[in-house]
Amino acid sequence: EAGVTQFPSHSVIEKGQTVTLRCDPISGHDNLYWYRRVMGKEIKFLLHFVKESKQDESGMPNNRFLAERTGGTYSTLKVQPAELEDSGVYFCASSQRDFNYGYTFGSGTRLTVV
Amino acid sequence: QKEVEQNSGPLSVPEGAIASLNCTYSDRGSQSFFWYRQYSGKSPELIMSIYSNGDKEDGRFTAQLNKASQYVSLLIRDSQPSDSATYLCAVNAGPYNNNDMRFGAGTRLTVKP
Repeated sequence: EAGVTQFPSHSVIEKGQTVTLRCDPISGHDNLYWYRRVMGKEIKFLLHFVKESKQDESGMPNNRFLAERTGGTYSTLKVQPAELEDSGVYFCASSQRDFNYGYTFGSGTRLTVV
Repeated sequence: QKEVEQNSGPLSVPEGAIASLNCTYSDRGSQSFFWYRQYSGKSPELIMSIYSNGDKEDGRFTAQLNKASQYVSLLIRDSQPSDSATYLCAVNAGPYNNNDMRFGAGTRLTVKP
């Protein structure tokens, strides 16, 4: 079974530019989550998709962040325009539909805004 | 108050010893609890889940849950250098996926040969 795939693995962009992160969840996992870890801090929840619908986006820091999940398959997270404080590691995770057996995480995208 | 609190460490134990990692959480209604292991530069990897009060054992790992005290711990017996990693405690408000997991900042464990 293929795991959760994220790309790019690293991205370095200048302040004010746009970056799009992609996540391919495990096939059949309806739940898809985005998390972010800023250096030295805990992993913070950003948002949660159930299929193509946003179940909870309370963790999105501001309207510069836009997440989509086309057709309930892969998801993208766009940051536009990027700011210095957006730097960190962005993790995607997916899980089965019902009982929470725990999430499977992707390897993350390390975003550096300079 | 943080939702999930862990001692950041570093925690250092000699090879073969028992490593004890602790976690407290603030939401008394939490029902699902997880321990993840994260090697440097890698993604978190689920190693234990626990849903009921008491102990749950899996190989060298034992998770302990006390909902009354809002406390969950992970014991690693016969610690090995390969266990050196950051251990993340995660808590979910419910048993189903309607809620989202909240993470502690992690405890860095070093097992010395």
